[in-house]
Amino acid sequence: KQEVTQIPAALSVPEGENLVLNCSFTDSAIYNLQWFRQDPGKGLTSLLLIQSSQREQTSGRLNASLDKSSGRSTLYIAASQPGDSATYLCAVSGNTPLVFGKGTRLSVIA
Amino acid sequence: DADVTQTPRNRITKTGKRIMLECSQTKGHDRMYWYRQDPGLGLRLIYYSFDVKDINKGEISDGYSVSRQAQAKFSLSLESAIPNQTALYFCATSRTSRDTDTQYFGPGTRLTVL
Repeated sequence: KQEVTQIPAALSVPEGENLVLNCSFTDSAIYNLQWFRQDPGKGLTSLLLIQSSQREQTSGRLNASLDKSSGRSTLYIAASQPGDSATYLCAVSGNTPLVFGKGTRLSVIA
Repeated sequence: DADVTQTPRNRITKTGKRIMLECSQTKGHDRMYWYRQDPGLGLRLIYYSFDVKDINKGEISDGYSVSRQAQAKFSLSLESAIPNQTALYFCATSRTSRDTDTQYFGPGTRLTVL
């Protein structure tokens, strides 16, 4: 059974800092890995999708990497802003639809 | 207008009542999903459907049933609601391609069972 773990569970940083969120998964037989953002009381918004054959994806200040063999992904956020404050969720797709981690709650302090 | 809509957005009900949560999408996607989110437990898959005639159980299907009335509509029912079904419920959709199937989520339904 696929299990997804996200570390840390919560993170607080000052504005402008670069930061890394971590995601690990137990079964490397995945089709893709996705990072989502969730604002309090809201639905999820897809940020980046990395196919199993890819190593990384970039969108603006966000860069996600995937090391399938070691079961790890990182989400790098450059020059963090207060508007980045949200919960970030990692999810992997394999023989079953998306399996989610519990998320990292990020607070960026102005 | 939102691509994935859920109704109702909030619902308070009593133990033993039958509840239906509805999801509609205008994205033209074949695949639809129902998840629940609980504090500390993350999102867990309840049911999913890859087309109108295909329904599959997810990780936590007990106590739930679904109906795929059309490509654009996917309903979740709680036949006899119980308090531990209090949660935030999300519907999601995706295209057929498994490698690039980004999921698009609705705004959620907050369900409270007293």
